[in-house]
Amino acid sequence: AQSVTQLGSHVSVSEGALVLLRCNYSSSVPPYLFWYVQYPNQGLQLLLKYTTGATLVKGINGFEAEFKKSETSFHLTKPSAHMSDAAEYFCAVSELSGTYKYIFGTGTRLKVLA
Amino acid sequence: NAGVTQTPKFQVLKTGQSMTLQCAQDMNHNSMYWYRQDPGMGLRLIYYSASEGTTDKGEVPNGYNVSRLNKREFSLRLESAAPSQTSVYFCASSEGLAITDTQYFGPGTRLTVL
Repeated sequence: AQSVTQLGSHVSVSEGALVLLRCNYSSSVPPYLFWYVQYPNQGLQLLLKYTTGATLVKGINGFEAEFKKSETSFHLTKPSAHMSDAAEYFCAVSELSGTYKYIFGTGTRLKVLA
Repeated sequence: NAGVTQTPKFQVLKTGQSMTLQCAQDMNHNSMYWYRQDPGMGLRLIYYSASEGTTDKGEVPNGYNVSRLNKREFSLRLESAAPSQTSVYFCASSEGLAITDTQYFGPGTRLTVL
């Protein structure tokens, strides 16, 4: 069955430090993977997505993620955190399985410390 | 270009009352979705509409009905609200149902059922 696990519901980093948000998935077929960001009192917006091709995907606001099939992971990173990165981040997986499936993880709230 | 809009932003209902959440998009998208977001559970798909005139159940459809009024509008109705339906509801739209199509989200409706 398709599923997404985000390790750590809350992550705190200092401004300027590396951001690493973890996402692992399970899928019986090649997955399509997404990261969304949700700022307070707003809807979700797409940060980046992996479909096929290059496994290192670059997104908006300096974020990137690497698809690692052997580890079934799609972790989100940013070299240097800004205060404006404070938000909740959701990993999602979808797959071609005959019916529409788009599964979100439970989210990781990122706090950036001054 | 407003994107995806939702009304109302906030609503408080008593158990047993009914209400309709409205959603509209101005991006000429074919597909629309309703999600609910609960703490620690991420987003869960309630219903979706692949195209005008079609609707399908998602992961958690019980207690809800939907109407795809036209290409722009997709409403969600609670016929007899229950406290378990207290949640934040998001509408989203996409070009189509292709796995790679990006979903665009509205700002959400925060519903409390007493």
